[in-house]
Amino acid sequence: NAGVTQTPKFQVLKTGQSMTLQCAQDMNHEYMSWYRQDPGMGLRLIHYSVGAGITDQGEVPNGYNVSRSTTEDFPLRLLSAAPSQTSVYFCASSYSGRAANEQFFGPGTRLTVL
Amino acid sequence: SQQGEEDPQALSIQEGENATMNCSYKTSINNLQWYRQNSGRGLVHLILIRSNEREKHSGRLRVTLDTSKKSSSLLITASRAADTASYFCATDGGNDMRFGAGTRLTVKP
Repeated sequence: NAGVTQTPKFQVLKTGQSMTLQCAQDMNHEYMSWYRQDPGMGLRLIHYSVGAGITDQGEVPNGYNVSRSTTEDFPLRLLSAAPSQTSVYFCASSYSGRAANEQFFGPGTRLTVL
Repeated sequence: SQQGEEDPQALSIQEGENATMNCSYKTSINNLQWYRQNSGRGLVHLILIRSNEREKHSGRLRVTLDTSKKSSSLLITASRAADTASYFCATDGGNDMRFGAGTRLTVKP
């Protein structure tokens, strides 16, 4: 199993550009989530999904969209990038439809917005 | 806002010593988890303790949970240089998890 994979590893955007961060898992996990990690801030939840076709907002959803058309994929879209979105983004998944289980994290995408 | 808060923010010890990190949280939880993050990597799950448990062991790790004080501690015994990493507690808020800012542990050889 590849586990949780994320692409790209690094990305530089200009203010106002849009892009999609890809996340995929091959463990048949129901629950998937996106976090951003900023220095000294820990991880903050952006969006999550408890199953295909179901998504919900987390703590810091503004400026981001998600969709979950399949169990395996959970892309994160930045609609109009802003410097405040410079961060490291992590995708995670877990077995059941809730976060109350061990979460498996991807390696992260380091995003810089100029 | 973050649910868990780790203490201390940074900890430096010698190899072979024990390391203790603490986590405090604000609201009732179903469970509490500890994760490790090596520099530049994703988080790795270490241990999960449920709200009705008081102590749990996994190898050199010992986790305690005191729901009356809304606090947890992670003890790493006989530390190794490879334990150098950031450690995060995460609390289950239902459909989401909230992470603290972490404790940066440095184990000197």
